[in-house]
Amino acid sequence: KAGVTQTPRYLIKTRGQQVTLSCSPISGHRSVSWYQQTPGQGLQFLFEYFSETQRNKGNFPGRFSGRQFSNSRSEMNVSTLELGDSALYLCASSLVLAGQETQYFGPGTRLLVL
Amino acid sequence: DQQVKQNSPSLSVQEGRISILNCDYTNSMFDYFLWYKKYPAEGPTFLISISSIKDKNEDGRFTVFLNKSAKHLSLHIVPSQPGDSAVYFCAASEWGGSQGNLIFGKGTKLSVKP
Repeated sequence: KAGVTQTPRYLIKTRGQQVTLSCSPISGHRSVSWYQQTPGQGLQFLFEYFSETQRNKGNFPGRFSGRQFSNSRSEMNVSTLELGDSALYLCASSLVLAGQETQYFGPGTRLLVL
Repeated sequence: DQQVKQNSPSLSVQEGRISILNCDYTNSMFDYFLWYKKYPAEGPTFLISISSIKDKNEDGRFTVFLNKSAKHLSLHIVPSQPGDSAVYFCAASEWGGSQGNLIFGKGTKLSVKP
């Protein structure tokens, strides 16, 4: 099976712009989660989608939003970009196995905000 | 307040010896724990997981031990290989890992020297 794919891999934006990142989960995975990784804060949970519905949300401002499509692909949007939004954005899809969900990560999108 | 802590930022081990990576947590509601390995410019790769109903799980060279009373888990790699050199993240979750929201430690950089 193909792994989790994320596009684009690299992105440069300027403050105030908005950005949309895309994630295609592993075939058959219906849950998609998004994380932000920065050197100072580490890996932090943004939100999770299952069957086109946001089931869970981390502690990020409303500028960060997402959605999931009927084919389980997901997009994440950040509006009014700030310098501090520069980070690696990781998408993970999960499989339920024996009542537990293990998340498998994509390669990430590295966003630089100038 | 960090709920998952990896107190050793780095660890150096000789090839063929055992690597032991440690992780402590504070939230007694965590019931599912995972270890991921991460190379630079790549997403985390799932290694092994353990449910809170177990105290040990083994997969090839990797074994995870869970001590619930001490709120401590460890990852043992035997024998260590140079290709194991990477950053290792411990992660924890409530609800068996569902709904995303993995809480990650800050990582331990493992260097395995030939």
